[in-house]
Amino acid sequence: DTGVSQDPRHKITKRGQNVTFRCDPISEHNRLYWYRQTLGQGPEFLTYFQNEAQLEKSRLLSDRFSAERPKGSFSTLEIQRTEQGDSAMYLCASSLTGPRGGGTEAFFGQGTRLTVV
Amino acid sequence: KNEVEQSPQNLTAQEGEFITINCSYSVGISALHWLQQHPGGGIVSLFMLSSGKKKHGRLIATINIQEKHSSLHITASHPRDSAVYICAVKGGSNYKLTFGKGTLLTVNP
Repeated sequence: DTGVSQDPRHKITKRGQNVTFRCDPISEHNRLYWYRQTLGQGPEFLTYFQNEAQLEKSRLLSDRFSAERPKGSFSTLEIQRTEQGDSAMYLCASSLTGPRGGGTEAFFGQGTRLTVV
Repeated sequence: KNEVEQSPQNLTAQEGEFITINCSYSVGISALHWLQQHPGGGIVSLFMLSSGKKKHGRLIATINIQEKHSSLHITASHPRDSAVYICAVKGGSNYKLTFGKGTLLTVNP
């Protein structure tokens, strides 16, 4: 296991289409995070999972966005009816958190760059 | 006002120069991260610190909890150091990160 991997690396889609991204975290990591980064800005938190449970969703995550982590391993982020404003880099990160809250730093994937035309 | 502010936004240096990037934050934190992002998007974690100072090769990170301020230093800078450097803090909730906008560093040969 060489780290967090994301697929695809790039996606160009027409407005109104649905897209799905995948993130494979570091295998033993129990926490998985999705962030979105627009040009010239730092990443912004979208959602996070502890194992298979989605514990928080940002208000940035509209009803068109859904994320899953069905078996507590890989995660998918789906955007329905894409809009041009969805164009961004979508970053996934994972970390290992112990029972008392301590743990490793977050490790990031290479990101999926979405362009909605 | 952003919770995490970085300065400068852009920095151009000549190879060999000593670089300092600053980060100020306004919330209580459990840890602060310095991250490096190259063109193409991938983010690499450089440091995670909650007090004092850490050093890794030519990189040094310091944090002053009382002043809510951290600095990233690069000694003997090299063109391969050119990247965006991002400061991020982990708050009391202890899971999600809040990021600064990043500092674009360009080191010319």
